Amino acid sequence: EAGVVQSPRYKIIEKKQPVAFWCNPISGHNTLYWYLQNLGQGPELLIRYENEEAVDDSQLPKDRFSAERLKGVDSTLKIQPAELGDSAVYLCASSLVWGGEQYFGPGTRLTVT
Amino acid sequence: AQSVAQPEDQVNVAEGNPLTVKCTYSVSGNPYLFWYVQYPNRGLQFLLKYITGDNLVKGSYGFEAEFNKSQTSFHLKKPSALVSDSALYFCAVRVLVSYNTDKLIFGTGTRLQVFP
Repeated sequence: EAGVVQSPRYKIIEKKQPVAFWCNPISGHNTLYWYLQNLGQGPELLIRYENEEAVDDSQLPKDRFSAERLKGVDSTLKIQPAELGDSAVYLCASSLVWGGEQYFGPGTRLTVT
Repeated sequence: AQSVAQPEDQVNVAEGNPLTVKCTYSVSGNPYLFWYVQYPNRGLQFLLKYITGDNLVKGSYGFEAEFNKSQTSFHLKKPSALVSDSALYFCAVRVLVSYNTDKLIFGTGTRLQVFP
């Protein structure tokens, strides 16, 4: 069984540029999460989807961040415009049901210069 | 405030020796507790969880964790460490934010270094 797939694995952009991350969850997993992981820290939740509905986006900085999960499968997280402080690893995770074990992708390491 | 603490930034242990990675938590109600491991350039991998029942939980790769309600701890243990266990370990607690919203709160991580 394939795990959570994320792309790209690495991204370097200049500040003020847009960037997008893509996630393909484990097949059949209805719940999808986006996390932000700063160096030396644990992941912090940005947004959670139940199918195509964003049920918790309270931690998402909506002035520059947006996300979508069309058709309730793949998801895209976008930052526009990126700031220096956005440099971090962006992790996607999925679970079969809400509250179940979360399975994480390898993450996208974003560097904003 | 609900939180998870991992008091050690790094734990060093010799191969073959037992290891313990500490975790304490502060939540209201009954906690759902998790351990994850992160290898370099990899995502987090689920190791084990405690929801209810036996205080000693067995997980992947020979790891186990002991839930202690009175000490609000959930320490990760392994009887005999392997060099390949060297990685970053995260403790997490699931908290309910509302009737249909929860979140995993992660600790800051403990780097385990197993020396040959």
